[in-house]
Amino acid sequence: GEDVEQSLFLSVREGDSSVINCTYTDSSSTYLYWYKQEPGAGLQLLTYIFSNMDMKQDQRLTVLLNKKDKHLSLRIADTQTGDSAIYFCAETSSASKIIFGSGTRLSIRP
Amino acid sequence: DADVTQTPRNRITKTGKRIMLECSQTKGHDRMYWYRQDPGLGLRLIYYSFDVKDINKGEISDGYSVSRQAQAKFSLSLESAIPNQTALYFCATSDQQGNYGYTFGSGTRLTVV
Repeated sequence: GEDVEQSLFLSVREGDSSVINCTYTDSSSTYLYWYKQEPGAGLQLLTYIFSNMDMKQDQRLTVLLNKKDKHLSLRIADTQTGDSAIYFCAETSSASKIIFGSGTRLSIRP
Repeated sequence: DADVTQTPRNRITKTGKRIMLECSQTKGHDRMYWYRQDPGLGLRLIYYSFDVKDINKGEISDGYSVSRQAQAKFSLSLESAIPNQTALYFCATSDQQGNYGYTFGSGTRLTVV
């Protein structure tokens, strides 16, 4: 079945780059997403990438897509304390719904 | 005002009680969704609706029911609450294709004691 997997935790030093990885199973996914959830808040769409793209950059965020390996990554350059959050990877499913991963909690060390 | 508003924000209820969580959206979207979030399990889909006359079960619909009162309103009910329904509940909406992502509400934290 459709599944999205990501590691549960990531700790990085302030100022370093963070890389959050995700694997998905549905090769027919047309869009893949990264959402951010700050404490006490709902999920906010950070960025998305269309399946015919390999890379998308938006300021400090870089999304890389490897369709062959069904691997998606989110790189956050110059990680700041405000980047502390849970990051969810998601894909569109064949039933026109979005399937979410379990989320990666990013914590920032001083 | 928020695009997606959920009420209440927090609720504590007793086992066996009926409870309704409400959601309204101002995006003008046809599609609405209810998710449940548990630590380490991500978001799991409870019910979804692609228009006012369309209601579909998600992966964990047992113990829940929904009502789509209007394009803008989608409520979730727990007919007889049980402790393992303690979770954070999110409502979301999307456009027709659903490809440009969902807009989420701020969530309802429900505790069943």
